[in-house]
Amino acid sequence: AQTVTQSQPEMSVQEAETVTLSCTYDTSENNYYLFWYKQPPSRQMILVIRQEAYKQQNATENRFSVNFQKAAKSFSLKISDSQLGDTAMYFCAFADYQGGSEKLVFGKGTKLTVNP
Amino acid sequence: GAGVSQTPSNKVTEKGKYVELRCDPISGHTALYWYRQSLGQGPEFLIYFQGTGAADDSGLPNDRFFAVRPEGSVSTLKIQRTERGDSAVYLCASSATSTSGQYNEQFFGPGTRLTVL
Repeated sequence: AQTVTQSQPEMSVQEAETVTLSCTYDTSENNYYLFWYKQPPSRQMILVIRQEAYKQQNATENRFSVNFQKAAKSFSLKISDSQLGDTAMYFCAFADYQGGSEKLVFGKGTKLTVNP
Repeated sequence: GAGVSQTPSNKVTEKGKYVELRCDPISGHTALYWYRQSLGQGPEFLIYFQGTGAADDSGLPNDRFFAVRPEGSVSTLKIQRTERGDSAVYLCASSATSTSGQYNEQFFGPGTRLTVL
């Protein structure tokens, strides 16, 4: 079974600075997707960024980028120029590539606080 | 357009009671997922529908939990004989038709917070 581990329960960063959230995962699959989701206090899960495992190039979305190390099964999220609105829970998630049930497997999350 | 909606937003019930939680997916989305998020944890998969049928119910914890999607749109998660351990946020997500080799983004609703006293 796939597992996702987030070893940082809480992180904090000053506004405008850069922060990196860590994630490792375990799978025997070769083709899969990895995601970072943001969950503010409103509870709504919002997709931040996704990475296809077959792509070697790291995904970027504006201030958000990932460092995907397939051999190490590591998938970290870097947030640049942190903003107060980035304060939220961040979840790393995995989905395999098989089609059919593309259920997501989530880590326990990292609570990020951006301080003014 | 309208996103995924879930009702009620909050539900408080007593141990042993029956509850129903409703999910309205994005119009046209054939795939629908239910997840359960306990306090301090990430969401855990419960069940997946493709159209009207439950294609994967491997995450349902026991036979007290059941879900339906009779017309391939709205889904209801039903919990019988609720226990205090069922207290959690229940999240619903929908996505476009699942095609092998292509990922379709799951769009989440705001969840229903269930509290069992």
